Order: sequence, then structure tokens, then C-alpha cells
Amino acid sequence: DTAVSQTPKYLVTQMGNDKSIKCEQNLGHDTMYWYKQDSKKFLKIMFSYNNKELIINETVPNRFSPKSPDKAHLNLHINSLELGDSAVYFCASSQALGDTQYFGPGTRLTVL
Amino acid sequence: DAKTTQPPSMDCAEGRAANLPCNHSTISGNEYVYWYRQIHSQGPQYIIHGLKNNETNEMASLIITEDRKSSTLILPHATLRDTAVYYCTLTDSWGKLQFGAGTQVVVTP
Repeated sequence: DTAVSQTPKYLVTQMGNDKSIKCEQNLGHDTMYWYKQDSKKFLKIMFSYNNKELIINETVPNRFSPKSPDKAHLNLHINSLELGDSAVYFCASSQALGDTQYFGPGTRLTVL
Repeated sequence: DAKTTQPPSMDCAEGRAANLPCNHSTISGNEYVYWYRQIHSQGPQYIIHGLKNNETNEMASLIITEDRKSSTLILPHATLRDTAVYYCTLTDSWGKLQFGAGTQVVVTP
């Protein structure tokens, strides 16, 4: 029944590690997004994919690499984690570019 | 940088209407006004959106001024469950939502 799901919900890891966050949507949407919400609660877009093609790539360190194996999935891989990567990461999807976006529950990443 | 400005906080009595203002004076012709809310640390929840005309759905009403430089979200009968941070955002055809700081709405009994 869940529309946009993310795993894991919580992720605690050490600096320097590599980790992945997974996102899946069962809405049949063509476009998926990753957003980052920092400790000050500002939500900023990181990436968007449309039909598995990268559309938006904001100024994000290249340690962050999104991967879309199919239209229903958009995973976020982060290399060499840093303290400043601690945040809540939200996945979202929309029917097409520019359409209403629906968000997942978020993944709280804590880097120690 | 966010293209919208909202008051940082607002209180509302349960059962009364909540009117949330938003300024977007630099809005472009192809940008839609979207409203989302975030309850505690959950994912943002879509409320309503519009381009030029006023809109209404089961959750809220959206009033957009004729010059499109500002808008108001109306929650007709606020309940305690409406306590959340409300975000007014703009999006273009590329789907880039630009969130500001939002308005913390507290509904009191």
C-alpha cells in the first residue's frame, strides 16, 4: 500500500564508510528525486531522474552517486562519509517532470 | 535560494480557519505555487498547488493574487493534527522544488 518507501529508516555509521539508501515507488511514476534536509530543517533537492535519465544534479559532492536500475527505484550511494553528511534524506516521485511530487518517509543518516 | 517568504510561526485555535500567507514576488510565468506540510520529521505531504486560479481540494484552499506575487493557504477548520511546518514552494517544468524555512503552525485546543 506504501507509495514511496525508503530503506533503511535510520542509518548510523562511521566517518569514511560507504553506504547506500534505497528508494522504491509503486505509483508507476516516471520521475524520482532525492532531497536532503539538514539540521536547520531546510530541504534541498540533490538529484532527479526521469525515465532512468539524470535530469537535475545540484551542487552535490561527487561522493554522492544516484543510481536508477529501473523507473521504480532510485538509490543513493555515498562514499567516504563525512560528519556534514548527517541529515535526513528524502526520496520523492512524480508522474512526470514538473508534476506533483510525493515524498517518502525519509532516512535519518548519522555519521559519527 | 528559496524564492518564497513566509512568517516563521503562527498559532491557530482548533476549529477556526488558518490563513497562511506566502510571498513570491519574483515568480516566473511558468512556475507553479505548491504547498506542502511536514508533521514532525515525517516526509513532506502534498496539500495543494496552483498556477493562476484559486484552487480547492478536500484539505485546503489556495488563493493566488492576480499578479501572482503572493498566495494564501486556507485550512478551513483546523484540527490538532494540522500542527506542522507548512511550506510554500515554487516549481518549474523541471520539477525543482525550492523550499524555504516554512511556517510552524501550532493548533491549540
